[in-house]
Amino acid sequence: EPEVTQTPSHQVTQMGQEVILRCVPISNHLYFYWYRQILGQKVEFLVSFYNNEISEKSEIFDDQFSVERPDGSNFTLKIRSTKLEDSAMYFCASNILPRDLGYTFGSGTRLTVV
Amino acid sequence: GNSVTQMEGPVTLSEEAFLTINCTYTATGYPSLFWYVQYPGEGLQLLLKATKADDKGSNKGFEATYRKETTSFHLEKGSVQVSDSAVYFCALSDKDRGSTLGRLYFGRGTQLTVWP
Repeated sequence: EPEVTQTPSHQVTQMGQEVILRCVPISNHLYFYWYRQILGQKVEFLVSFYNNEISEKSEIFDDQFSVERPDGSNFTLKIRSTKLEDSAMYFCASNILPRDLGYTFGSGTRLTVV
Repeated sequence: GNSVTQMEGPVTLSEEAFLTINCTYTATGYPSLFWYVQYPGEGLQLLLKATKADDKGSNKGFEATYRKETTSFHLEKGSVQVSDSAVYFCALSDKDRGSTLGRLYFGRGTQLTVWP
């Protein structure tokens, strides 16, 4: 069964450093998303991406965050200068059609900022 | 706004027990409702969904009915197995025009542990 692949599974970084979280969506999917879950809290939407541009972003997705689909296969989330409160599990997801069909999620990257 | 509230965990059951995980929602439009499951070390997987009021989603023995009058989408299973141990997330996707790509709103997740 096709999968969404995320790398790395766990990343530790120092506060103030830049991190790039990588995702390979399912190949025929057109809609891409990032979500995150801070430990013990809700899974929160960060951003949706379609046709090489951001479609929607949440209030969490400030100027420190950016997304890119650099080569038609990878979908990356960059955090420019990490803060302690960025520590969370980050999930990538993709979809053929939005809303009703449900997404395919990756297994997540656990980001720890120290 | 849109939000999902689900039962706090953890939930611990013996094998073959009946499971209910409560989920209620608020939505500005006409949401689709979902249950996702996360097994240890894996991603979120769609378990079942319902797209309109009174629809029943079902999969792998789990069921949930979209109740508009009580704004609820409770997850049930008649007889749980050890392999059902996982975290269960209730979610909604609002068809409101402001969310054209189906942004999901999640609950906090409920950890289920089933003992043999």
